[in-house]
Amino acid sequence: TQLLEQSPQFLSIQEGENLTVYCNSSSVFSSLQWYRQEPGEGPVLLVTVVTGGEVKKLKRLTFQFGDARKDSSLHITAAQPGDTGLYLCAGQAGGTSYGKLTFGQGTILTVHP
Amino acid sequence: GAGVSQSPSNKVTEKGKDVELRCDPISGHTALYWYRQRLGQGLEFLIYFQGNSAPDKSGLPSDRFSAERTGESVSTLTIQRTQQEDSAVYLCASSFSRSSGNTIYFGEGSWLTVV
Repeated sequence: TQLLEQSPQFLSIQEGENLTVYCNSSSVFSSLQWYRQEPGEGPVLLVTVVTGGEVKKLKRLTFQFGDARKDSSLHITAAQPGDTGLYLCAGQAGGTSYGKLTFGQGTILTVHP
Repeated sequence: GAGVSQSPSNKVTEKGKDVELRCDPISGHTALYWYRQRLGQGLEFLIYFQGNSAPDKSGLPSDRFSAERTGESVSTLTIQRTQQEDSAVYLCASSFSRSSGNTIYFGEGSWLTVV
């Protein structure tokens, strides 16, 4: 069974601060995805990383996939109150297991104005 | 519709009753997934359908859970003899195919409360 450990579980910061969320596993994933979920809604895909060492930027968000494709991080620069939400990482094993995403426990981010 | 549609959006049921949750995927999406999410937690894989292939049922937690899909359209998740630990949001998602380049789109979920 593949597991993804996501940390921290809760993050409460002031507007303008930087933060990093980590996602770690002992298993190799063919790709890793980051989602953001608002209350009462389903998760919405932010980014997919596929190549070991890959870095992708989405405005103030920077996503990195570890060289060994076992871990990933999400860094937010100058957080805004609009960034508040539940952030989820999810790994995809590929091959015959494709489609069966393994999710981390999630990070509840609160950005105070 | 434009997105993945799920119904009911909320369901309160008595312990021991059966419930059916419905998912209408995005038109043209051959892959359909069911996940369960407990309050404030990550998602737990339940079952995956891809076209006419045999579904991957490896995530179903017990034989009280079953799901069907008619062709490449609607899917129904059935929970028999519901228990309080079944209370959760049940999320359906679909994607164009199982290829790695395709985005998975989630519905808003069906909130199930077993009392």
